[in-house]
Amino acid sequence: ETGVTQTPRHLVMGMTNKKSLKCEQHLGHNAMYWYKQSAKKPLELMFVYSLEERVENNSVPSRFSPECPNSSHLFLHLHTLQPEDSALYLCASSQEGGDGEKLFFGSGTQLSVL
Amino acid sequence: QKEVEQDPGPLSVPEGAIVSLNCTYSNSAFQYFMWYRQYSRKGPELLMYTYSSGNKEDGRFTAQVDKSSKYISLFIRDSQPSDSATYLCAMRNTGFQKLVFGTGTRLLVSP
Repeated sequence: ETGVTQTPRHLVMGMTNKKSLKCEQHLGHNAMYWYKQSAKKPLELMFVYSLEERVENNSVPSRFSPECPNSSHLFLHLHTLQPEDSALYLCASSQEGGDGEKLFFGSGTQLSVL
Repeated sequence: QKEVEQDPGPLSVPEGAIVSLNCTYSNSAFQYFMWYRQYSRKGPELLMYTYSSGNKEDGRFTAQVDKSSKYISLFIRDSQPSDSATYLCAMRNTGFQKLVFGTGTRLLVSP
């Protein structure tokens, strides 16, 4: 596989469920990101991991919990979400110190919270 | 005031038309400017990348940056139905700084 792969593509969950989103990058990059995309809003940066350390947590509620076990994998653990959390969640990667501004995105997970 | 302003559209044009997509911004420290294309049910993909002011051309696509006016543009020549997508502008300062995105403009090119 090449690029950035996200699973699942679609997820429907109740407000009391616990689920996890998975991201894997095959580009040899050293930074990974979680973004939230809602209708008619700009992409919102949620978390950044650089060299497996979290370097940014953009005032995200604690019901979202990221995990980066190595430079190729990134998870977003979800629990007790709210309906307003329904959105497209995008993972991205880049090479810090190189063309760090060139983000490569996965296809996203479309999340619906009932 | 939003840091980056972008008309959401939709912008509808016939095949073969020249398309002009634009963003304005307020932060004069932005140095890197990008255009991403996002097809339905896909993630954004980097289309054009420019540093500071000037023009950059790649095939049918031309990116322009006017830092004095805080205005960037993406031109698409000979537009095709396959260009139908949402186009996101993005920009940032120097160093490892986060990208600031526009809301995206939805483009529809009809055959």
